[in-house]
Amino acid sequence: KQEVTQIPAALSVPEGENLVLNCSFTDSAIYNLQWFRQDPGKGLTSLLLIQSSQREQTSGRLNASLDKSSGRSTLYIAASQPGDSATYLCAEGNYGQNFVFGPGTRLSVLP
Amino acid sequence: ETGVTQTPRHLVMGMTNKKSLKCEQHLGHNAMYWYKQSAKKPLELMFVYNFKEQTENNSVPSRFSPECPNSSHLFLHLHTLQPEDSALYLCASSRERDGYGYTFGSGTRLTVV
Repeated sequence: KQEVTQIPAALSVPEGENLVLNCSFTDSAIYNLQWFRQDPGKGLTSLLLIQSSQREQTSGRLNASLDKSSGRSTLYIAASQPGDSATYLCAEGNYGQNFVFGPGTRLSVLP
Repeated sequence: ETGVTQTPRHLVMGMTNKKSLKCEQHLGHNAMYWYKQSAKKPLELMFVYNFKEQTENNSVPSRFSPECPNSSHLFLHLHTLQPEDSALYLCASSRERDGYGYTFGSGTRLTVV
């Protein structure tokens, strides 16, 4: 059974810090990995999608990497801001199968 | 807006009521999904539709009844719900069941009283 875990479950950092969120998956035949952001009581907003043939994707202050061999993905947030406070979820996808979601990391960026 | 629209945004219903949640997308996607998110719990997949056909029912109680009249619209019909069914219900779509990537709606916050 495919499983996705995220560490840490919660993280609190002062504004301006660079930080890394971790995602681990058990499916070595991963097709892609997607990072989402969820604000309280809201839907999921897609941040970055990394195909299995790629090593990383960047969007603004966000950089996501994918290492299939170790079963890991990281989301790097540079120069964090209070507006980055949210829950971040990763999900791994495989062709013809449903995405498997991690439990999320709750991030608080303190002013 | 993400391209996936859910209505209503909030819903309060009694246990004997019948209501429906609606999801609409015009992204040209062929797969649509219903997820349930309860407080402090991971996302739970409920139903999957691919090209209007239900391909997955994740052991969901019959008081939840999905309907997919076409690839752009997905409904979740609710009747005789329980208070523990109170949750955020999220709709998502993808190009196909190809793991290419999901687009989520903003969700319907359901409270059963």
